[in-house]
Amino acid sequence: QQPVQSPQAVILREGEDAVINCSSSKALYSVHWYRQKHGEAPVFLMILLKGGEQKGHEKISASFNEKKQQSSLYLTASQLSYSGTYFCGTEYSGGSNYKLTFGKGTLLTVNP
Amino acid sequence: DTEVTQTPKHLVMGMTNKKSLKCEQHMGHRAMYWYKQKAKKPPELMFVYSYEKLSINESVPSRFSPECPNSSLLNLHLHALQPEDSALYLCASSQDRSVQGRYTEAFFGQGTRLTVV
Repeated sequence: QQPVQSPQAVILREGEDAVINCSSSKALYSVHWYRQKHGEAPVFLMILLKGGEQKGHEKISASFNEKKQQSSLYLTASQLSYSGTYFCGTEYSGGSNYKLTFGKGTLLTVNP
Repeated sequence: DTEVTQTPKHLVMGMTNKKSLKCEQHMGHRAMYWYKQKAKKPPELMFVYSYEKLSINESVPSRFSPECPNSSLLNLHLHALQPEDSALYLCASSQDRSVQGRYTEAFFGQGTRLTVV
């Protein structure tokens, strides 16, 4: 079952902040965040695990609310290089090994 | 070396052709994946190999035939494809879950852009 991402698209000016959300109706084991630039491969950003573990990567951080089956990606003081499509991938509790189901993606555009 | 290398980068094939996509990694990863990605859509899992054995087939049509000859290589054999199979085909690899106890970071190749005419 595909996780739901919101918003579908967001436009920022350099230096502004953004939040991208990912929610599931099924119990989650982990949430993974990837960024894909146009014409390029998806690049791993971080993994969030059960237990509400929060991970950070430079000015990008994320949280995982296990009770609500939600994860949020926080982009602080956005840079032009942050532009791209962000996908959350979810791994379900009791699900198959190795299987990530990706959301439809959020297109982030950072303008000067 | 944290690269997953895919060849060719672009492929145009007719509906009666047979072709193969290749993927290679030298990170010691024992899980390898094929994904299909249509424009403006997320990657969709096709196949998963774990320790060179097929562990997941997401009900992919038999005109797609995966092969994992060794721990570093992954092939996708294509035969009698349809125009709707045109897409970006991504290969990825990761540590085996049994090692880490959970799904780990996946490294993606740049993909093969396939056009079926």
